[in-house]
Amino acid sequence: ETGVTQSPTHLIKTRGQQVTLRCSSQSGHNTVSWYQQALGQGPQFIFQYYREEENGRGNFPPRFSGLQFPNYSSELNVNALELDDSALYLCASSPPGRPGAYEQYFGPGTRLTVT
Amino acid sequence: QQQVKQSPQSLIVQKGGISIINCAYENTAFDYFPWYQQFPGKGPALLIAIRPDVSEKKEGRFTISFNKSAKQFSLHIMDSQPGDSATYFCAASMGTGGYNKLIFGAGTRLAVHP
Repeated sequence: ETGVTQSPTHLIKTRGQQVTLRCSSQSGHNTVSWYQQALGQGPQFIFQYYREEENGRGNFPPRFSGLQFPNYSSELNVNALELDDSALYLCASSPPGRPGAYEQYFGPGTRLTVT
Repeated sequence: QQQVKQSPQSLIVQKGGISIINCAYENTAFDYFPWYQQFPGKGPALLIAIRPDVSEKKEGRFTISFNKSAKQFSLHIMDSQPGDSATYFCAASMGTGGYNKLIFGAGTRLAVHP
């Protein structure tokens, strides 16, 4: 069983640029959530995708957007990058049905540095 | 009300000892409480989780104790090993609004000395 994978591993961008991060969910999982983890802090919920639609969002501005594809993989897009966007971006997938829907399994993350 | 408060911030334990990390929450709508382990440069790994209708859950050396009336829960790591040295996060979630988001504590950095 393949776990959650994310790409790229590391990324360096300049302020004002746009970035796309990618996530492949664990086999059989149909829900994907994205989190931002600043250095030394716990992950913060960005949004969740289910059946290719955003079905929940945290306190992040609209320049954070996402997509989910029919194979349940997902993208996180961030426009107009700011220095504070520097963080580890984590993708988590969840299996279908309750109580499985509560369980979230994380990928290794993408380390984004904005200069 | 959406916060989860975790303590201590850091913890040093001798090999073979018991590591105890505590978390507290306010929102009684939370109905799922997982613990995650994170090594440097890695994503969080789900260790163990509990629901509020159970007071204790044990998996190997890891035990969650849950006190619903006090709105507190804790992770106990028995026979702590140097390989357990990592950052541990408690979290809480509730299945309302059609989606589940995990709300994490600030983390506890555990160091197990040989």
